[in-house]
Amino acid sequence: RKEVEQDPGPFNVPEGATVAFNCTYSNSASQSFFWYRQDCRKEPKLLMSVYSSGNEDGRFTAQLNRASQYISLLIRDSKLSDSATYLCVVNRNNAGNMLTFGGGTRLMVKP
Amino acid sequence: DAGVTQSPTHLIKTRGQQVTLRCSPKSGHDTVSWYQQALGQGPQFIFQYYEEEERQRGNFPDRFSGHQFPNYSSELNVNALLLGDSALYLCASSTTGTGNEQYFGPGTRLTVT
Repeated sequence: RKEVEQDPGPFNVPEGATVAFNCTYSNSASQSFFWYRQDCRKEPKLLMSVYSSGNEDGRFTAQLNRASQYISLLIRDSKLSDSATYLCVVNRNNAGNMLTFGGGTRLMVKP
Repeated sequence: DAGVTQSPTHLIKTRGQQVTLRCSPKSGHDTVSWYQQALGQGPQFIFQYYEEEERQRGNFPDRFSGHQFPNYSSELNVNALLLGDSALYLCASSTTGTGNEQYFGPGTRLTVT
């Protein structure tokens, strides 16, 4: 079983739609959580950190459920420019800052 | 403020050769991590350097080695290249401390033929 699991998609949605991605992680010692966005053949870019209380950044909302070891990302009012792969990332913080990535969920927003 | 830079952008090598990839961290960052991303997969952690020492290592063979210089820049060396080493190699920088956000460079795309 992979340490961080995501539905690979693709999720095909129309502009303006709301879309949600889920992610589960297996290591209960994980301490920090992030969503990264990666465009085709580019580097991952930090989208947002995920906090236990949940956090929002404009159209993006991230939630963390430590008991279920589950992370989510909600995108409201999807734009064409949101088309990308979204990577769920956890950090065990046991001896530094090693990020463990999920395989990514591909989102395609259509006009 | 310059972000993370990597060189070269692309590289083609033959099986059995050796390669060196370079990374300069974002200004103010002192920790460099290296990741390997195969096509269609998420990045996998190779190792991390802080204070010129390897602080943590992922599940990669000894053919993968690295170095950090006093100015915090870093190199990744891969010996005895295999076809399976073909991938995008990403460098990420951060400040020291657990949980701190990492910022990635554009990567070096290595093709082994």
